[in-house]
Amino acid sequence: IVLTQSPGTLSLSPGERATLSCRASQSVSTTYLAWYQQKPGQAPRLLIYGTSSRATGIPDRFSGSGSGTDFTLTISRLEPEDFAVYYCQQYGSLPLTFGPGTKVDIK
Amino acid sequence: QVQLQESGPGLVKPSETLSLTCTVSGASISSYYWSWIRQPPGKGLEWIAYIYYTGSTNYNPSLKSRVTISLDTSKNQFSLKLSSVTAADTAVYYCARLPRLYWYFDLWGRGTLVTVSS
Repeated sequence: IVLTQSPGTLSLSPGERATLSCRASQSVSTTYLAWYQQKPGQAPRLLIYGTSSRATGIPDRFSGSGSGTDFTLTISRLEPEDFAVYYCQQYGSLPLTFGPGTKVDIK
Repeated sequence: QVQLQESGPGLVKPSETLSLTCTVSGASISSYYWSWIRQPPGKGLEWIAYIYYTGSTNYNPSLKSRVTISLDTSKNQFSLKLSSVTAADTAVYYCARLPRLYWYFDLWGRGTLVTVSS
């Protein structure tokens, strides 16, 4: 399953709302879609699994939604530490695949 | 606190075999799936393979002919071997844990950069 993410880069200011899209080449069960955050020089960190379940310690300003082939990660109010690259990943079928990422940078 | 730590050579010559080990601390390697993922400089993430503590494995078809993943329960470690490397295999290699029932990555190592160059 090929995942595409849009936009490639999202330029926003702290406090604004971020909406990131992940589209799959074929339907993915909502059970099998995850989101990760990666900051420069760091490993990715799991944010969301099962489309909408937040991982341990993830603040509630992060939320996930979607179904079928279209999924969304929303950051309700950007904090300075949220500027990073975000990847979606499907785990409904092998091989496991990631999207190319969306970079959220400071406007 | 569970931690994963990658180790291995940072420089490998073309055509040789890349070998990395991930040491798991704070938890038993038995009971989870374990995986390798890589990220070329400035690029996205590519899943390489996973292994279950029983020894069951699965590989990305794009790399399957060159990859072997294995584990050593006595040392609480799992390993990656990638043969016949080229410059295209230059990447940060991460080890990661997968929950038993689902194949997302809930815990990651810090990653190790492997450069393929003569």
